Amino acid sequence: DAKTTQPTSMDCAEGRAANLPCNHSTISGNEYVYWYRQIHSQGPQYIIHGLKNNETNEMASLIITEDRKSSTLILPHATLRDTAVYYCIVRKGNTPLVFGKGTRLSVIA
Amino acid sequence: GAGVSQTPSNKVTEKGKYVELRCDPISGHTALYWYRQSLGQGPEFLIYFQGTGAADDSGLPNDRFFAVRPEGSVSTLKIQRTERGDSAVYLCASSLTATDTQYFGPGTRLTVL
Repeated sequence: DAKTTQPTSMDCAEGRAANLPCNHSTISGNEYVYWYRQIHSQGPQYIIHGLKNNETNEMASLIITEDRKSSTLILPHATLRDTAVYYCIVRKGNTPLVFGKGTRLSVIA
Repeated sequence: GAGVSQTPSNKVTEKGKYVELRCDPISGHTALYWYRQSLGQGPEFLIYFQGTGAADDSGLPNDRFFAVRPEGSVSTLKIQRTERGDSAVYLCASSLTATDTQYFGPGTRLTVL
């Protein structure tokens, strides 16, 4: 079973920041938080991951709370092409990814 | 550089037939994963290879499913005596090592009639 809880769906206006929350209250010390997204009919696309510190790359920012029990993925300026299902996954070591149902983000013009 | 590729992109077969699905990982990636995604669900793990050997095959649903990676690069997922319930998108991912980020291919959509 997935160890994360995410809202089923969210809407975001184009050009605004999309903030996608994820709850992982049972995360252990050596587990990373990974985010992937899946645009319709494509394979999952890696976005970002982190352990404790906040992370930023060209796609998004990842904010992890100090107790590591939750995190937020931030897309700073959402576009229509960001419409996708976003998966938050906790993973340690060489274990496979365990996907939940994710959050369906709809970016609206 | 080239990403993970999978062939064919679509495969339609009849119940009871044998199918092979191919995955070409990113060059130099030692770990390779197979996942299966049914409609409306997230991907589910099937099997993972470290080099040529299957390090974890706990996700294979039954003995009709088998996968190989004989030279530590290309992998083939083989399904015998296909059933309608095998219809799904089969996804392959690779990573530089087993603890690194996994990158996915576009998937093969298998339809069993």
